[in-house]
Amino acid sequence: NAGVMQNPRHLVRRRGQEARLRCSPMKGHSHVYWYRQLPEEGLKFMVYLQKENIIDESGMPKERFSAEFPKEGPSILRIQQVVRGDSAAYFCASSLVAYSNQPQHFGDGTRLSIL
Amino acid sequence: AQTVTQSQPEMSVQEAETVTLSCTYDTSESDYYLFWYKQPPSRQMILVIRQEAYKQQNATENRFSVNFQKAAKSFSLKISDSQLGDAAMYFCAYGGGTASKLTFGTGTRLQVTL
Repeated sequence: NAGVMQNPRHLVRRRGQEARLRCSPMKGHSHVYWYRQLPEEGLKFMVYLQKENIIDESGMPKERFSAEFPKEGPSILRIQQVVRGDSAAYFCASSLVAYSNQPQHFGDGTRLSIL
Repeated sequence: AQTVTQSQPEMSVQEAETVTLSCTYDTSESDYYLFWYKQPPSRQMILVIRQEAYKQQNATENRFSVNFQKAAKSFSLKISDSQLGDAAMYFCAYGGGTASKLTFGTGTRLQVTL
């Protein structure tokens, strides 16, 4: 199955630590999107990346959060100095092209828990 | 900014019956796409069906169909012959114009009873 792969599936961090979430898009996909789902809520867009470029980061908190999608390797969502409010499920999606008619294929998500 | 509203937090349907989940949206764009995603307890996000706004014909995928009312900005999902495996959270999503991101509603939790 060459779907979107996210790891780890579950991540536990203590307040103040760093969290690194990884996403490998579907084969051939060069567009990656990160979404956050707080408990009992819908998914909220965070950032859209193409290889080596951030295209839209309008949903990303200004501090502590960063994302990258290097030429080689997975996309990384990095959260520095985590706080309790960062506890959520983080989903990555990928698409073949960047038009809104193209379905985004989602990974299974990473559930981040902050102690 | 686009908004997506799902006014039914929870719905229940008996097995083999039909259920309709409602979704409304707000946009000033003329070119956009609408999607229904299913999220079972495993938390996967599974695309159920999509609709292009320029198409008047309602999309259909097996037991799933939509009622797309562009003027009313309404996009409801009808599930026919409901099965136990249909139990999940259902999210309506909007993808508009040149923007690639999806805007999601808050979801409807569907229970399927025997």
